[in-house]
Amino acid sequence: EPEVTQTPSHQVTQMGQEVILRCVPISNHLYFYWYRQILGQKVEFLVSFYNNEISEKSEIFDDQFSVERPDGSNFTLKIRSTKLEDSAMYFCASSLQGAIYEQYFGPGTRLTVT
Amino acid sequence: AQSVTQPDIHITVSEGASLELRCNYSYGATPYLFWYVQSPGQGLQLLLKYFSGDTLVQGIKGFEAEFKRSQSSFNLRKPSVHWSDAAEYFCAVGAGDSNYQLIWGAGTKLIIKP
Repeated sequence: EPEVTQTPSHQVTQMGQEVILRCVPISNHLYFYWYRQILGQKVEFLVSFYNNEISEKSEIFDDQFSVERPDGSNFTLKIRSTKLEDSAMYFCASSLQGAIYEQYFGPGTRLTVT
Repeated sequence: AQSVTQPDIHITVSEGASLELRCNYSYGATPYLFWYVQSPGQGLQLLLKYFSGDTLVQGIKGFEAEFKRSQSSFNLRKPSVHWSDAAEYFCAVGAGDSNYQLIWGAGTKLIIKP
């Protein structure tokens, strides 16, 4: 069964450093998403992406964040200058066009900012 | 604004007993409703979804959920739990329009007693 994959599984970085989290969505999916889950808190929507542009973003997704689909298979989330409060589990998800809410999630990347 | 409430932070159930996890939502129209499960160290797996039609929906792993418009609820049930069902369960709402994000409940941690 096809699945969403994410790398790395765990990333430790120092405050102020840039990080790139990588995702490979399911191959025939056209909508891509990033969510995050701070330890002990709810899952929060960050951004959705379709047709090489952002469809929607939350207020969390400020200028420090960016997303990119650099090739036909990868979908990345970049945090330009990490802060302590960016420490969280980051989930990538994808969905088929026409079933945009049936989102399939990757295993997540745990980001620790020290 | 849409919101999702899962009133139980954790629930303990004996193996073989029945289970009901509660979810209430706040939304003006009929939302798209989802249950996801997150096993320790794993990503978010879709258990079942409700878009329209029959208000009792069947999902994977023997789970079902019932949409009750009058109570704004979408409770998850299983007639007989197994030790492998121990996990965290999340209810989520998709709001429609051009809004592609999922709004999440805080999750309910299911503990199985042997």
